[in-house]
Amino acid sequence: GAGVSQSPRYKVAKRGQDVALRCDPISGHVSLFWYQQALGQGPEFLTYFQNEAQLDKSGLPSDRFFAERPEGSVSTLKIQRTQQEDSAVYLCASSLKQGRPQNEKLFFGSGTQLSVL
Amino acid sequence: RKEVEQDPGPFNVPEGATVAFNCTYSNSASQSFFWYRQDCRKEPKLLMSVYSSGNEDGRFTAQLNRASQYISLLIRDSKLSDSATYLCAVIYRGSGNTGKLIFGQGTTLQVKP
Repeated sequence: GAGVSQSPRYKVAKRGQDVALRCDPISGHVSLFWYQQALGQGPEFLTYFQNEAQLDKSGLPSDRFFAERPEGSVSTLKIQRTQQEDSAVYLCASSLKQGRPQNEKLFFGSGTQLSVL
Repeated sequence: RKEVEQDPGPFNVPEGATVAFNCTYSNSASQSFFWYRQDCRKEPKLLMSVYSSGNEDGRFTAQLNRASQYISLLIRDSKLSDSATYLCAVIYRGSGNTGKLIFGQGTTLQVKP
């Protein structure tokens, strides 16, 4: 079946512009994660959903970052008033359901590369 | 101090060499451990889970040392195709914890002919 799909693949924004990044997880996957990956670094946790509930948003760097998953499937990461330091690859990942080791394998999308000029 | 730490490398080794990476974690409540592989400009992909008893998958062996809070990955008979970044990842559980996966910085491996 289809994997995790993210769009757009690339996004160039002017500083101060709002952007919205979309993630379509694997069908049936309950858990959905967003990560931010800067060049040469590992993925940094941003936020985590279980179905439509946002269980952890401790990694969101500021109140300019907002994520939602209103129907428990597609998720959107929104960044308001983008800054140059927001430039990174934003990765979405899904899993069957966190809590049972056999269900915790994360499947990643190809990411959205955001460049803020 | 980062919760999960790795030596970023790069590790440059000849084909056929054996190479080992370590990863340390700071939270003793950690319960699940993984190694992911990430190729340049690609997404991470699960290489293997790490079990307390240690586990092997072909040329790859993963081990966990809870007392010293580190995990390791051993690659035997390195191939050119093993060149990539290897990310260790840890899931914490406990009060208020949701099982989020935390990654290390990654260790870059370059296998040379």
